[in-house]
Amino acid sequence: GAVVSQHPSWVICKSGTSVKIECRSLDFQATTMFWYRQFPKQSLMLMATSNEGSKATYEQGVEKDKFLINHASLTLSTLTVTSAHPEDSSFYICSAGERGGGWSPLHFGNGTRLTVT
Amino acid sequence: SQQGEEDPQALSIQEGENATMNCSYKTSINNLQWYRQNSGRGLVHLILIRSNEREKHSGRLRVTLDTSKKSSSLLITASRAADTASYFCATSTGNQFYFGTGTSLTVIP
Repeated sequence: GAVVSQHPSWVICKSGTSVKIECRSLDFQATTMFWYRQFPKQSLMLMATSNEGSKATYEQGVEKDKFLINHASLTLSTLTVTSAHPEDSSFYICSAGERGGGWSPLHFGNGTRLTVT
Repeated sequence: SQQGEEDPQALSIQEGENATMNCSYKTSINNLQWYRQNSGRGLVHLILIRSNEREKHSGRLRVTLDTSKKSSSLLITASRAADTASYFCATSTGNQFYFGTGTSLTVIP
């Protein structure tokens, strides 16, 4: 089945540094990828929708200058958390829909646990 | 927010029993999907039901959809300890996916 690879799975960084998270679709083309944030024991909150070759669409309340999204190819989207602070510590998950599949079903990466000290 | 609500938030049952969880949403949808998440992992797609469908089965899973009430239910029959996980409904409207608040299911062996 379709696989989405997310890297790294866990990252610890110092406050003020930037962290890049990669999301790759391994065996299909993903024109759109979704980035979610999940706090412990809570649901996934959609942060932004990443479209290949164009600017990402951010959800209300998500700072686009803090969470930089780049979707340069049909198989790779990146999320960069800039000037990270402890409150950015969270579980970040990407997902991708197959081209022509109407986004259904989504294939998820295994998530990245970000800890900012 | 388009995020759906699920209930119960937590459910604990004995192995072999059935588990039912419900999802309510706010807007018109194209389809509704159920996902499963093991702790600290990504989500796994379980089943999709389209807006013109009322019921769907997949193995031990049974999903219903009532678009007039904007609600869906997921039934897991003959539960197993391995079914222990969090379950989320997700609704699709256009180009966005929104997840419900989730139900944490614990199946006791």
